Amino acid sequence: NAGVTQTPKFRVLKTGQSMTLLCAQDMNHEYMYWYRQDPGMGLRLIHYSVGEGTTAKGEVPDGYNVSRLKKQNFLLGLESAAPSQTSVYFCASSYRVDWVGQPQHFGDGTRLSIL
Amino acid sequence: GENVEQHPSTLSVQEGDSAVIKCTYSDSASNYFPWYKQELGKRPQLIIDIRSNVGEKKDQRIAVTLNKTAKHFSLHITETQPEDSAVYFCAASPPISSGSARQLTFGSGTQLTVLP
Repeated sequence: NAGVTQTPKFRVLKTGQSMTLLCAQDMNHEYMYWYRQDPGMGLRLIHYSVGEGTTAKGEVPDGYNVSRLKKQNFLLGLESAAPSQTSVYFCASSYRVDWVGQPQHFGDGTRLSIL
Repeated sequence: GENVEQHPSTLSVQEGDSAVIKCTYSDSASNYFPWYKQELGKRPQLIIDIRSNVGEKKDQRIAVTLNKTAKHFSLHITETQPEDSAVYFCAASPPISSGSARQLTFGSGTQLTVLP
């Protein structure tokens, strides 16, 4: 099993350009998450999904959109990239067990630079 | 929402010594506390986790303790080795509210350096 796969691994954009980051998991996980990681700030949740066709906002959702058309895929979109969105983006997934937390499994990350 | 504070932000120890990283959380309903290790340029990887029905959990050289009354939990690494050098993140997860998923709130991380 590949686990959680993110594409692309690196990308440089100009301000105002758009792009989509793709996350795919082969573990049949119900939950999927998008985080951004900035120096000294840990991991901050952008958006998440509890299942196919559903998405919700996390801590820092502004400037991003997401979609989950298939259970195994979770897409993160930047409609008009800004330099403040320069970051490393991680996707994660986990099983759904309502009464107790489950480990989240992370992808390798996408390093995104906005010029 | 949940707030997690992690200390120290940097920690240097001699090889063979022990390292302790501490986290506090704000939501008394949180009941799942994982620890992740992140090597430079790599993904965060789960190293150990604890649920609120236990006070301590060990896995070889790694242990985590949880004090629910004081709302803090700690990571203990014994007999440290150079390959333990990495950034360590704690996290806390409250119970699910209607329509939501299990969310993790992460601490800001501790850079551990093991000196040979």
